[in-house]
Parts: sequence; structure tokens; C-alpha cells
Amino acid sequence: EDQVTQSPEALRLQEGESSSLNCSYTVSGLRGLFWYRQDPGKGPEFLFTLYSAGEEKEKERLKATLTKKESFLHITAPKPEDSATYLCAPLENTGKLIFGQGTTLQVKP
Amino acid sequence: KAGVTQTPRYLIKTRGQQVTLSCSPISGHRSVSWYQQTPGQGLQFLFEYFSETQRNKGNFPGRFSGRQFSNSRSEMNVSTLELGDSALYLCASSWDPDRGHSETQYFGPGTRLLVL
Repeated sequence: EDQVTQSPEALRLQEGESSSLNCSYTVSGLRGLFWYRQDPGKGPEFLFTLYSAGEEKEKERLKATLTKKESFLHITAPKPEDSATYLCAPLENTGKLIFGQGTTLQVKP
Repeated sequence: KAGVTQTPRYLIKTRGQQVTLSCSPISGHRSVSWYQQTPGQGLQFLFEYFSETQRNKGNFPGRFSGRQFSNSRSEMNVSTLELGDSALYLCASSWDPDRGHSETQYFGPGTRLLVL
């Protein structure tokens, strides 16, 4: 059965304090892995897609990496506006996204 | 381009009623997927439509159904509402999941459904 686990569930950082979020997955027929950001009361906002082990993508203070069983979202020198829930979602070969429960990040000034 | 739009944004219904939610995808996108988001279960896949055909279905009861129109707009229907159907219903559109790296799903703001 497909399974996605994100850790930690919640993370509190001081502004400027770098950290990493983890997404481990067991998905049959993986076609890619997506990262989304979700603010309270809003729909998920697309961040990155990764397709191959070893691939990396960067956007501002965020960098996503992918291995065969895990993906990491590295946040460098975060700012309060980076506070949100970050969702990892492997894409099955059927085209279905399997979402993890998310990591809720709070960055304090 | 305008993003994915969903209507209505908020809805209050009572048990036993039925509800229809609407989703307009990004212009040019042909695939529409629906998800249910609750605090306990997170985001769960309901179904996906492409060219007016359901291509994929999640593990939800038959009370949940959907359809897609020729202009790619989609509707989702829930019949005989239960308290547990209270959730944020999200719609996502993509160009075509079968065409390599064009399968990124872009989400709408969601419809918040409360069942009393």
C-alpha cells in the first residue's frame, strides 16, 4: 500500500535558522514527487517537481532534493513569511497524488 | 492566466441533503482532479476527469460522484450528506497527466463544506 510520511509534524524556527523537512515514501510506480505550500484556508501552492533520484530544485530560500525513498525540503535562513504547511506528494503511475500529512512550519522573527 | 476557480467558497448543509461543487480549471488544462482535506485524514484523492471521462478514482463511497463538461469545467456531487463529509474540497487542474512533465496539478482555493 502506498504510504507517505512527513517529519517533523511541526517545526518552530527562529528567523535565519536553517532546517530540513523530510518526506519518506513507499509508492508503486512513482512518476514524480511534488512539493506544495499551503497557507491556512487556502489551496496548496505548487513549489517543485522532482523526477529522478539525485535531482535538486531551488527557489529563493527553498531547495528540494530526491532520493529513491525520500525527499528533503531544505529551508535556508527562513523568514516569517515562510510560515506555512509544506506538503509532499508523490505521483503514482495512475496520475494520482498521494499526500503526506504535512509539516507545519512556524518562523518567529 | 487566471488560476483554478471554485464555487461556492463556503457552504452549510444538513445531514441527508445533497451538494454540488463547481470547478473551473486553468484555461487550456484538460485534467481535473478532486481532493478532500480534513484535519484527521489530510488530503485524499477523490477522482480525476479527463476529456469528460473519469480516469481515476479514490477510495470513497458511491455518494461521491463527479463529471466533466466539454469545456473542462467539472462538478462534484455528494448525495445524502453525513457529518463526516465536512471538509475542504479542493479541485486541481493540469494540462495532461499523460504528457510527460506537464502533469503538475494546480489547486484552487477550495470549497469549505460544513454539514450540520
